[in-house]
Amino acid sequence: DVVMTQSPLSLPVTLGQPASISCRSSQSLVHSDGNTYLDWFHQRPRQSPRRLIYMVSNRDSGVPDRFSGSGSGTDFTLTISRVEAEDVGIFYCMQTTHWPHNFGQGTKLEIK
Amino acid sequence: EVQLVESGGDLVQPGGSLRLSCAASGFSFIDSWMTWLRQAPGKGLEWVAHIKEDGTEKYYVDSVKGRFTISRDNAKNSLYLQMNSLRAEDTAVYYCAKIPRVSVPYWGQGTLVTVSS
Repeated sequence: DVVMTQSPLSLPVTLGQPASISCRSSQSLVHSDGNTYLDWFHQRPRQSPRRLIYMVSNRDSGVPDRFSGSGSGTDFTLTISRVEAEDVGIFYCMQTTHWPHNFGQGTKLEIK
Repeated sequence: EVQLVESGGDLVQPGGSLRLSCAASGFSFIDSWMTWLRQAPGKGLEWVAHIKEDGTEKYYVDSVKGRFTISRDNAKNSLYLQMNSLRAEDTAVYYCAKIPRVSVPYWGQGTLVTVSS
């Protein structure tokens, strides 16, 4: 199975400052169809997760442009250009290239 | 408006069984792969099972293979998860979701399954 490893697991950030989260996979996430199926989700406390980014770098509808995704192969990054209070919660990367589909351990973002 | 409403979560003893249901509305259920995911208390997300639009392909995470069965009734716009031989480690909030690779994903609010004596 693919292992998804996120870092850091805890991310204290000052409001208005940038933040980035790394996600590394134990094998390439390039699918046989040529696409890379790596998504980023955000889960606020006591809420269901919400997808922010699909296929590495595509923002879902309604997602603020302060969120961006990048990377390739086995190494991916979620960047928040300016952290806002509503960003508190846990961020997960998820791969759907290989079965079983799975998530990273999660990165908990908190405001300093 | 898209809605996914899970039901069936309960307190059950180890070794027991439970059937979760998910009622879908607001989108073309018959054209959608559907997924069950779970989140143990204070833990991360885990993809549990996945079923093709017509039910002919099903995939399970290893930890539930042989114990859980995913199914669907397209005439009723409903998704199910039959859970047998339940263990304490199956305790979690179970989410029904449509998570396409490109188009908009949808999650239910979840239903809590507690396995305890």
